[in-house]
Amino acid sequence: DQQVKQNSPSLSVQEGRISILNCDYTNSMFDYFLWYKKYPAEGPTFLISISSIKDKNEDGRFTVFLNKSAKHLSLHIVPSQPGDSAVYFCAASAISGSRLTFGEGTQLTVNP
Amino acid sequence: NAGVMQNPRHLVRRRGQEARLRCSPMKGHSHVYWYRQLPEEGLKFMVYLQKENIIDESGMPKERFSAEFPKEGPSILRIQQVVRGDSAAYFCASSRQGLNEKLFFGSGTQLSVL
Repeated sequence: DQQVKQNSPSLSVQEGRISILNCDYTNSMFDYFLWYKKYPAEGPTFLISISSIKDKNEDGRFTVFLNKSAKHLSLHIVPSQPGDSAVYFCAASAISGSRLTFGEGTQLTVNP
Repeated sequence: NAGVMQNPRHLVRRRGQEARLRCSPMKGHSHVYWYRQLPEEGLKFMVYLQKENIIDESGMPKERFSAEFPKEGPSILRIQQVVRGDSAAYFCASSRQGLNEKLFFGSGTQLSVL
């Protein structure tokens, strides 16, 4: 039962353009969402988060959008840089829960 | 302020042996989580501990796996009688307050079972 899904295993964009990574969830109890970035042989690194009371959160080049009615969130990176090439994981938690549920990840490649 | 420290980075075991994975959380963090990443998959929750207490172990396999977080020392994930299917990257994460807070992850232990 995959409660958090990232349907695109990979995404390739040109440097300077926008990267849009998508994530869908099924559990209505989720109310806190995070994006993590992971390089090979390293642990995930926190990138940005959003709570269910908001529909947008911005931090520099990174913006997360949340559409609660569609149970969908997306991460926008603009402009994309080659150093952004990594696996991006979407994760969710419920206020009554104790752990994060992760999606399968999307490999982003930003070409110079 | 050192990050979450995991050791060893790589661990090779033969089938039937025991594997012990260690995790030292960030300074001031009393909440520890273990996640497992199988090849080509996302991270799966295993267990959540808070100093000497297991809060949630709903993601732990029923047999052979155990975890502890003693008052002094690192958290330990122990896998007895390892099988090839246990081969995975095991990540530890910590947080200061727990629920609904971002986690800080270690670099993981890559377990290979021969």
